[in-house]
Amino acid sequence: DADVTQTPRNRITKTGKRIMLECSQTKGHDRMYWYRQDPGLGLRLIYYSFDVKDINKGEISDGYSVSRQAQAKFSLSLESAIPNQTALYFCATSDPRTGGTGANVLTFGAGSRLTVL
Amino acid sequence: DAKTTQPNSMESNEEEPVHLPCNHSTISGTDYIHWYRQLPSQGPEYVIHGLTSNVNNRMASLAIAEDRKSSTLILHRATLRDAAVYYCILRDLNAGGTSYGKLTFGQGTILTVHP
Repeated sequence: DADVTQTPRNRITKTGKRIMLECSQTKGHDRMYWYRQDPGLGLRLIYYSFDVKDINKGEISDGYSVSRQAQAKFSLSLESAIPNQTALYFCATSDPRTGGTGANVLTFGAGSRLTVL
Repeated sequence: DAKTTQPNSMESNEEEPVHLPCNHSTISGTDYIHWYRQLPSQGPEYVIHGLTSNVNNRMASLAIAEDRKSSTLILHRATLRDAAVYYCILRDLNAGGTSYGKLTFGQGTILTVHP
């Protein structure tokens, strides 16, 4: 089983619908992240969470919300999806205590491709 | 944020070494150099990171110029499974707020490995 599992892997929805992307991890990491990837724009950080009670906005949080239900689960919601939220979404985890100084290595899921019509 | 510049694409033959360059002329003293790669239909995968000294791990080696304005990721024997987009990223050890966890991936280098 993958260390970081994202569901669904693919989703097509319509404008105005509420969508939830789910992420679960078995690495035991406290830190979890949501990114989106768009062609030509690399990966951009949406939200990140240091632990269950600590959630922070990233650089592009407008139109998104998150919930950290447990250490292992971090879900991303689009309350009212719009076409420009069509993208590939990645969940990631990290533990800054591993990987050596300066590491904070991110472990990514396989991605959730969302299409908003 | 300090930026990195990488060639758009490179090609290699299987079992030959590959040297992937990265320029980062505006690097700051607290920037670590990270390399990730993204295989087709997968999320990015950590490869290696370093600050000043050359680094080796089971996946690759990282050679860092003495002035730190450039670095090279070295795959000692390329395999077909190494075909991916390789990203060179600068990560500020002291980044906080919305910069925390922010990895500016850029365009990366598309590595093609020929059998």
